[in-house]
Amino acid sequence: ETGVTQSPTHLIKTRGQQVTLRCSSQSGHNTVSWYQQALGQGPQFIFQYYREEENGRGNFPPRFSGLQFPNYSSELNVNALELDDSALYLCASSDRTGTGNTIYFGEGSWLTVV
Amino acid sequence: QKEVEQNSGPLSVPEGAIASLNCTYSDRGSQSFFWYRQYSGKSPELIMSIYSNGDKEDGRFTAQLNKASQYVSLLIRDSQPSDSATYLCAVNRGGSYIPTFGRGTSLIVHP
Repeated sequence: ETGVTQSPTHLIKTRGQQVTLRCSSQSGHNTVSWYQQALGQGPQFIFQYYREEENGRGNFPPRFSGLQFPNYSSELNVNALELDDSALYLCASSDRTGTGNTIYFGEGSWLTVV
Repeated sequence: QKEVEQNSGPLSVPEGAIASLNCTYSDRGSQSFFWYRQYSGKSPELIMSIYSNGDKEDGRFTAQLNKASQYVSLLIRDSQPSDSATYLCAVNRGGSYIPTFGRGTSLIVHP
């Protein structure tokens, strides 16, 4: 149990629709990272938020967007859904203290696009 | 060349054996290294982190880091069927707070 919670856990959307995924970070953590994990692949970095500012972005199109709130919770929005967006979306939080910025994952949101 | 490379497996070992999982990385500036375990249908959970060359032990798990060879490994002693999962290697470049993941190695421990 990492203290990182995500919602919803499973959802099915139609191609072209929009989806919002939510994440509550672990208490005391100010950084949230979002990853996409397709079946049989490792997690791919989408973007990271630190103290409400985007702090890095992976190779994902602009229809993937997000934000972080003052309480450090975060949302991932995906517009104009495509079939290839079907994946496990992982939120991870961290506090940037100590060495290496260890990240802790939530349970994930399974998105199926039909 | 991918930033973090792992053999996808599956690696099959008998119960009680030592499982050895390997990971190589391309960025010589990498500073932090992590191993995560991911059961089928679940999210990754942190097993160990390692930052200095050498070995780090935690129970049945030992992480080994060789920065000169850009190589990090995870040894699981006395493997149990419950260890059957995908093991993900993650690497942070120096000054970065964004770990890059390999595709994972599937481990099967058979009775």
